[in-house]
Amino acid sequence: QQQVKQSPQSLIVQKGGISIINCAYENTAFDYFPWYQQFPGKGPALLIAIRPDVSEKKEGRFTISFNKSAKQFSLHIMDSQPGDSATYFCAARPRAGGTSYGKLTFGQGTILTVHP
Amino acid sequence: DAEITQSPRHKITETGRQVTLACHQTWNHNNMFWYRQDLGHGLRLIHYSYGVQDTNKGEVSDGYSVSRSNTEDLPLTLESAASSQTSVYFCASSPGLRNTGELFFGEGSRLTVL
Repeated sequence: QQQVKQSPQSLIVQKGGISIINCAYENTAFDYFPWYQQFPGKGPALLIAIRPDVSEKKEGRFTISFNKSAKQFSLHIMDSQPGDSATYFCAARPRAGGTSYGKLTFGQGTILTVHP
Repeated sequence: DAEITQSPRHKITETGRQVTLACHQTWNHNNMFWYRQDLGHGLRLIHYSYGVQDTNKGEVSDGYSVSRSNTEDLPLTLESAASSQTSVYFCASSPGLRNTGELFFGEGSRLTVL
């Protein structure tokens, strides 16, 4: 049962362009939304994360936009570079107090390719 | 430096054989997790542990088992390997109580079941 839906499955962007990856969730009991970046042959690593009490978080060229009412959040990569080519996963964590607390649910992943 | 290591990195086995994937972390993290990664499905949780002697089933636990006898290790066992278990397996750990923080992943174990 997939509670976090991610799109697109793959994305090709030219160097300098904006990459946008979208996620939608169904469970309103999530309290933490991280994005993970995975390079080929490596494990995922935390890129940036947001809590639902803010609408946007920016770290360098990476921005998360969060729409609580629509239950959607997205990752924007500004000035995309070939070194950004990787698989990106969104995720959501249930809030404390429930039986699912602590278990991240991941989206399906997006393979980003940035052409030089 | 503290780290999380998985072994073997690549494994080919036959249907019906028992397989164990090792995961070892030196951060002294309480929480450890096993995920499998398949194209189109993302990362799916197999089993997880919040401490020594604690183990819990994730969303795709059938055919897998884990045990936690110490803080550092969470081996994943496939009791009788099936072709559907061909996948890349990732171990992860996190500090704090019941994963209140960032997940730290190993580099993965690619398993092929023939």
